Amino acid sequence: DTGVSQDPRHKITKRGQNVTFRCDPISEHNRLYWYRQTLGQGPEFLTYFQNEAQLEKSRLLSDRFSAERPKGSFSTLEIQRTEQGDSAMYLCASSFPRGRGPAIYNEQFFGPGTRLTVL
Amino acid sequence: KNQVEQSPQSLIILEGKNCTLQCNYTVSPFSNLRWYKQDTGRGPVSLTIMTFSENTKSNGRYTATLDADTKQSSLHITASQLSDSASYICVVSSLNTGNQFYFGTGTSLTVIP
Repeated sequence: DTGVSQDPRHKITKRGQNVTFRCDPISEHNRLYWYRQTLGQGPEFLTYFQNEAQLEKSRLLSDRFSAERPKGSFSTLEIQRTEQGDSAMYLCASSFPRGRGPAIYNEQFFGPGTRLTVL
Repeated sequence: KNQVEQSPQSLIILEGKNCTLQCNYTVSPFSNLRWYKQDTGRGPVSLTIMTFSENTKSNGRYTATLDADTKQSSLHITASQLSDSASYICVVSSLNTGNQFYFGTGTSLTVIP
C-alpha cells in the first residue's frame, strides 16, 4: 500500500454512459497526476495538479474528459459519453517535490488504479 | 524529443536465474531515474530512484545502475523468484517545470519454475 487510494477499483459501463473516478493522494503531497494505461504499454500522461490548480493537460485528454481537484486534496476524473476506446486502467499518482536545482527530488507514488471496461 | 526506451519488450527466464533489463533515455535536463515494478492489474511500485550523481543503487535482489553520460540505465535481478513476474517500467524525470515524468513502455518479465 503506497498511501494513494483510488475508487472504484473496477468499473464496467455501457458505451455512452458517464463515469467518475476518485483519487485520494498522500495527504501532504501537493501534486497529483492522472495517467491512462492500456495493456502492454506504459502509463500515458493525462493531466496533473499542483494543489487545486490544473497545470497541464495532455492532448489525450479530449473534451469528454474532465478532472478536478477542488480543495487541493482528492481529485476526480470524469469521462462523459464513454467509448470502447476508453477501456483502460486509469492510474493516479501523487508527489511532493523537495530540494532545489539538480538535487530536486520528486518521487511519484501510484494508486492501485481503476480498471474501466466499456461495453 | 524526450523519450524513454526499454528493452527487451518481454523476457522469460527460469526461476533462480539472473536477468538484466535496459533503459535508454533522451530526457534533458535530467533530474532522476526510477524503476517501478507493476504487477498485473495493480499500480506501479517504486523499486529504486537515482539522481544524476548516483551510478548504482540496490534494493534487495534488485540492483539499478545509471550512466548519465551515455544516458543508459539497467535493472539487474538476482536469483529470480516466481513473484518477480511483472512489468518493469523505467521513468525519467526532468528539471523542467510542468509535467516532468517520461515513461518507458516497460519490460514484461515472466519467471517460470
